Amino acid sequence: DVKVTQSSRYLVKRTGEKVFLECVQDMDHENMFWYRQDPGLGLRLIYFSYDVKMKEKGDIPEGYSVSREKKERFSLILESASTNQTSMYLCASRVVGGSYEQYFGPGTRLTVT
Amino acid sequence: RKEVEQDPGPFNVPEGATVAFNCTYSNSASQSFFWYRQDCRKEPKLLMSVYSSGNEDGRFTAQLNRASQYISLLIRDSKLSDSATYLCVVPEEGASKIIFGSGTRLSIRP
Repeated sequence: DVKVTQSSRYLVKRTGEKVFLECVQDMDHENMFWYRQDPGLGLRLIYFSYDVKMKEKGDIPEGYSVSREKKERFSLILESASTNQTSMYLCASRVVGGSYEQYFGPGTRLTVT
Repeated sequence: RKEVEQDPGPFNVPEGATVAFNCTYSNSASQSFFWYRQDCRKEPKLLMSVYSSGNEDGRFTAQLNRASQYISLLIRDSKLSDSATYLCVVPEEGASKIIFGSGTRLSIRP
């Protein structure tokens, strides 16, 4: 059974802080994704990673960076958190050559005050 | 035009009713399609895949209309537990990018 875990379910940070969101998957999946989900806007892709040390910008990368040093771990970094980054952040992973099914982590609800 | 578009709802139907909603997509080259279900405050989970004309799984039927570029999800004999948001998903073929619709909210009332 695929398991995707995220470091925190709830997080409260102050404006200007550097924020790290961690995601770990245990199924040796090559692809990993970071989304944010906001009411009325659905899931929007921030960044994705094809494989270790490979990354590509999604639709809304501004204000974010990512790191993928190991296959199982994909980190999302908010360099200087702002209130408009308050959102639900979802990590997902997917095997290459498979059914395109993505497996999601439970999400991190981030509030920036 | 959005790449993947869904009616946001909410659809509010009585238990036992049949409900259907559509999802339109813009990329005519898309070959595979998915419906995910997302419960309140939970992560999305795969409900059904659609690779050809359609797929059926118990009370759920997904159909694909390539000519008009939409997929539909039909739920028969709806249960209270079907209340959720249903996300339409269209991968970009050959790429890792996956496009999510913004979701259709369904609420089943007793």
